[in-house]
Amino acid sequence: GAGVSQSPRYKVAKRGQDVALRCDPISGHVSLFWYQQALGQGPEFLTYFQNEAQLDKSGLPSDRFFAERPEGSVSTLKIQRTQQEDSAVYLCASSLIGGVHEQYFGPGTRLTVT
Amino acid sequence: AQSVTQLGSHVSVSEGALVLLRCNYSSSVPPYLFWYVQYPNQGLQLLLKYTSAATLVKGINGFEAEFKKSETSFHLTKPSAHMSDAAEYFCAVSDNNQGGKLIFGQGTELSVKP
Repeated sequence: GAGVSQSPRYKVAKRGQDVALRCDPISGHVSLFWYQQALGQGPEFLTYFQNEAQLDKSGLPSDRFFAERPEGSVSTLKIQRTQQEDSAVYLCASSLIGGVHEQYFGPGTRLTVT
Repeated sequence: AQSVTQLGSHVSVSEGALVLLRCNYSSSVPPYLFWYVQYPNQGLQLLLKYTSAATLVKGINGFEAEFKKSETSFHLTKPSAHMSDAAEYFCAVSDNNQGGKLIFGQGTELSVKP
């Protein structure tokens, strides 16, 4: 069956541009997570949805970062006025329900801000 | 707050040798612990997880890990390394009260020499 997909896989943005990163979770998965992975580092939590409700956004690094999941399936992570420090791989994961159930990760979107 | 420390950013072993990747955690509540593997340009794949059942956990591809509360450790082992095991490995901790978000270590890159 289809896993978690993310698009685009690669994105180059000039500093100051806005970007939108898409995540298609596994069908029927209730929980959706976004993580940021800087080069040579482990992933860091950004935000978490249960269905369409954003229950935790404590990891979003600034108010330039915004995530939504309006219909409880596809999610979009938006970054406004990109900065060089935003360059990273953005990973999306979904799980059947919350708690400690397995999170299935997508391949990530590599964002490079020039 | 929860945290994870992975000792050794790079580990190199010969094919057929024992693999030992170290992970220590900090948690104020009973932790749930995970090991993920990441191949180049791919998302993370779950190897195994500890959720307070048996302290010795067996995972995929011949890996296993032992939860030792007294040592706050969850080291990953495999008796005999294979060339295909070369990848980045991440230890992660979670608690059920935070929706299941994962806190990752910095990662350990495993190289396997022929």
